[in-house]
Amino acid sequence: EVQLVESGGGLVQPGGSLRLSCAASGFTFSSYWMSWVRQAPGKGLEWVANIKQDGSEKYYVDSVKGRFTISRDNAKNSLYLQMNSLRAEDTAVYYCARDLRVLSKWGQGTLVTVSS
Amino acid sequence: DVVMTQSPLSLPVTLGQPASISCRSSQSLVHSDGNTYLNWFQQRPGQSPRRLIYKVSNRDSGVPDRFSGSGSGTDFTLKISRVEAEDVGVYYCMQGTHWPLTFGGGTKVEIK
Repeated sequence: EVQLVESGGGLVQPGGSLRLSCAASGFTFSSYWMSWVRQAPGKGLEWVANIKQDGSEKYYVDSVKGRFTISRDNAKNSLYLQMNSLRAEDTAVYYCARDLRVLSKWGQGTLVTVSS
Repeated sequence: DVVMTQSPLSLPVTLGQPASISCRSSQSLVHSDGNTYLNWFQQRPGQSPRRLIYKVSNRDSGVPDRFSGSGSGTDFTLKISRVEAEDVGVYYCMQGTHWPLTFGGGTKVEIK
């Protein structure tokens, strides 16, 4: 069974940093593009970033470019999102999802709250 | 960016009756590889999103056959032939053809 389990969320002050992780199991992680998608409280879904199988290509939504970095460790079947210079508007549940254009599987999400 | 517009915002439905959600894109979603990357997701209350339909009309494994997707170009529809109680939630369309990937604003399905 495909499983994606996010962790690393929490409360952080504006300007702070946080690193999210996503542990994958039940499929060949190294064969798939992976994505991060977020959902602000009570709002809709917003794609954040994705990364190619070997990490050689990465894409970001404009609002996080230069602040967030997506990465992966295929040996550990793990996806990461390093978030720096966090702002109040980054407050959201962050989901990791499998695939590039079709987002076939999603994790349960981890909540990031940016507040002083 | 491609704007995805869903309607209606809210859809009260009687159990056993059909429901239909529209999704329109500001540009054609036909990719240069010939595929149309229009997907539908269901988010039940308190849960993470779950994909129902990919590339317009392909139903995911385990998704009841009362769900169907159709459309082409810029106009797409998700239909539920007979709404059941477990179908309550918010439905999102998403385009994966153009960067950045974008979602519709969501349609909340509730039981009358």
